[in-house]
Amino acid sequence: EIVLTQSPGTLSLSPGERATLSCRASQSVSSSYLAWYQQKPGQAPRLLIYGASSRATGIPDRFSGSGSGTDFTLTISRLEPEDFAVYYCQQYGSSPPRWTFGQGTKVEIK
Amino acid sequence: EVQLVESGGGLVQPGGSLRLSCAASGFTFSSYSMNWVRQAPGKGLEWVSYISSSSSTIYYADSVKGRFTISRDNAKNSLYLQMNSLRDEDTAVYYCARLDWSPYYFDYWGQGTLVTVSS
Repeated sequence: EIVLTQSPGTLSLSPGERATLSCRASQSVSSSYLAWYQQKPGQAPRLLIYGASSRATGIPDRFSGSGSGTDFTLTISRLEPEDFAVYYCQQYGSSPPRWTFGQGTKVEIK
Repeated sequence: EVQLVESGGGLVQPGGSLRLSCAASGFTFSSYSMNWVRQAPGKGLEWVSYISSSSSTIYYADSVKGRFTISRDNAKNSLYLQMNSLRDEDTAVYYCARLDWSPYYFDYWGQGTLVTVSS
C-alpha cells in the first residue's frame, strides 16, 4: 500500500507570500492518480488539482501542481487571506482499488 | 449545481448500528460512482467505501470491512452507509463524495454528518 507523506506539517506565512507544499509517495505514483484538496475549518474538502497539475473548475491560477514519480508539489504563488487552510494530497491505487490521503499540511497566517 | 447532503449521524453506543444517507441532486446520479470518506476529530481524511454507478462493484477499507455496507438507490438519487458493530474509532464526520469519471479523485463532496460512538 502506498503511503503519502506531506511536509511540512504546518507552514506559517503572510498574505502575499509563496507557499510550497510537498507530498512524497512511498512508491512511484502515476501523475494521473495524484490530486490535491483544500479544507477550511468546518467545511468539506474541495478539489483543487487533479492529474498532479490540472486545476479543477473555478480554481484560481495562483494554485499550481507539479511533480512526478514519488515527489509532488502544490504551489500557491501569492497567498490570499482565503487560502489559509489545510491541504491534502490524495492518490489512487489500483490493486486493489484504494484512495489514500496524506496527513495534511496546515497553512496558517504568520 | 451539484449537491450532496448527508444525514443520519448521531450518538451511538459501542457495538451499535447507524445508517447514513446522502441525497444527491444537480447531476445524473445513476451515472457516477460514489464513496464515503471520513474524518476523525482533528485528524486527516480516510476513504471508507466505494460503489459503482450500477452497484455491481463495491470496495471497503480494511478498517470497516465486514461491519459497514454501502448501497445506493438510483431511483431515489440516494447513497447509504449501514454501519454495524460500531467502535470508538469510528467516531468521525462522514462525507459522501462523488468520484470523477477517471476514477482517480473526488470532484464533489457533501458537508458531512457527525457520527459519535461513545458510551
